[in-house]
Amino acid sequence: AQSVAQPEDQVNVAEGNPLTVKCTYSVSGNPYLFWYVQYPNRGLQFLLKYITGDNLVKGSYGFEAEFNKSQTSFHLKKPSALVSDSALYFCAVRDEASGGSYIPTFGRGTSLIVHP
Amino acid sequence: DTAVSQTPKYLVTQMGNDKSIKCEQNLGHDTMYWYKQDSKKFLKIMFSYNNKELIINETVPNRFSPKSPDKAHLNLHINSLELGDSAVYFCASSRGGGSGANVLTFGAGSRLTVL
Repeated sequence: AQSVAQPEDQVNVAEGNPLTVKCTYSVSGNPYLFWYVQYPNRGLQFLLKYITGDNLVKGSYGFEAEFNKSQTSFHLKKPSALVSDSALYFCAVRDEASGGSYIPTFGRGTSLIVHP
Repeated sequence: DTAVSQTPKYLVTQMGNDKSIKCEQNLGHDTMYWYKQDSKKFLKIMFSYNNKELIINETVPNRFSPKSPDKAHLNLHINSLELGDSAVYFCASSRGGGSGANVLTFGAGSRLTVL
């Protein structure tokens, strides 16, 4: 079984400050991990993914995420937040051991608000 | 050129009516999905089709029926609409149903309001 948790409904950060959006996961095998972003009245857009290899993954718009196997976490980070980063962020996981079920499970989403 | 397009974008209808939402993708993907996003923004998988065959059918009322005439299209038909069906419905597609690291491309969503 696969599951993902985003413990924060909302994250507030001042423009120019670093941001972190948290995600933890649970899988039986190895995880495939994803971050998506949803701007108001839009569909989800892919930011980055982790499959294997380097624990630090770089993605779109200056975002990166760090895979930590011991803490089963995949937190999204950005060194300097922009007001335009304000959006809803979804973490998703797919268990490599789930066989034919390739559907990723999405977290409940974290609303990121960047204040000017 | 929109990669995953859904129509209509907005749909307001009365309880008991039947409605359809259409989805088309021009990415050449093999797999298509329908997700429901509720008022709290929770995203739930409803259906998944791979090469026109139903792969995943989560716990969804029988009033919801997906139809995939070809790999590029996955339409959602809803019978006897209820108030609780009000939500935003997202269509998505990805390449290769058997690969776990596939990235989903989402449509812009169809906001259904049942009065």
